[in-house]
Amino acid sequence: NAGVMQNPRHLVRRRGQEARLRCSPMKGHSHVYWYRQLPEEGLKFMVYLQKENIIDESGMPKERFSAEFPKEGPSILRIQQVVRGDSAAYFCASSPPGQGRQPQHFGDGTRLSIL
Amino acid sequence: KQEVTQIPAALSVPEGENLVLNCSFTDSAIYNLQWFRQDPGKGLTSLLLIQSSQREQTSGRLNASLDKSSGRSTLYIAASQPGDSATYLCAVKGGANNLFFGTGTRLTVIP
Repeated sequence: NAGVMQNPRHLVRRRGQEARLRCSPMKGHSHVYWYRQLPEEGLKFMVYLQKENIIDESGMPKERFSAEFPKEGPSILRIQQVVRGDSAAYFCASSPPGQGRQPQHFGDGTRLSIL
Repeated sequence: KQEVTQIPAALSVPEGENLVLNCSFTDSAIYNLQWFRQDPGKGLTSLLLIQSSQREQTSGRLNASLDKSSGRSTLYIAASQPGDSATYLCAVKGGANNLFFGTGTRLTVIP
C-alpha cells in the first residue's frame, strides 16, 4: 500500500515562473492537506481539500497560490509568478474519511528553490 | 488561535539514556495530538497518535502522554540509540481539520 506520493522531490524555478507541485494521496484517502515549511520554521497549514472541493484555504496566501483536487488525478498546488520568499519545503498529507480523529499521513515533500 | 511550543529546541544525549521531549499547546479543545519524526531532507513519519480521550500511547521504546487540561504532552524515549537522531515534531488537531505544529526538538544521540 503506497504512501502519499509527491513529485517532484526537488523543483528549481526562476523568479516569475510558475511552479506546480503534485500529490497523490494514499489509497482510500479522500482528504488532502498542504503544508509549507519555511527554512528554520515549523510547518504551517495552507489548504484542505476533498475531491473537487476546497474545504478550508485559510492558510493560503491571497495571491499567486491556488490548489485543486480533481475527480481524477493528483492534487495540484500551483504557485504563479514565484518569488524568492516562496522557497520552502511543501508537504502534502492525506487522511481517510471520518471527522476529526483520523491521523494524517505525510509525503516526503517537494523542495522548491527559487533562483 | 492555537499555538504549539516545543522545549527544548535541541537536545544531545549519550547513547543508552532515557529522555523526555516536551510539547505545550494553548487551546485545550483538541481532537488529538500526533508526534512525528523528521529526518533531514525527508518527510514526516508518524510515531504516535493520542486521541483527546486518551492519556497515553506506547509503541516500542516510545511513550507519549497527554494532559489535555493543562495543554501538555511528553514523548518519552527509552534507551536512546544513534538512529533516534532526528527532529521530533508535535502537532495538535482542533476543530478545524488542519494540524498545528510546533517548531520541533532536534535530537542528537551520541554513540
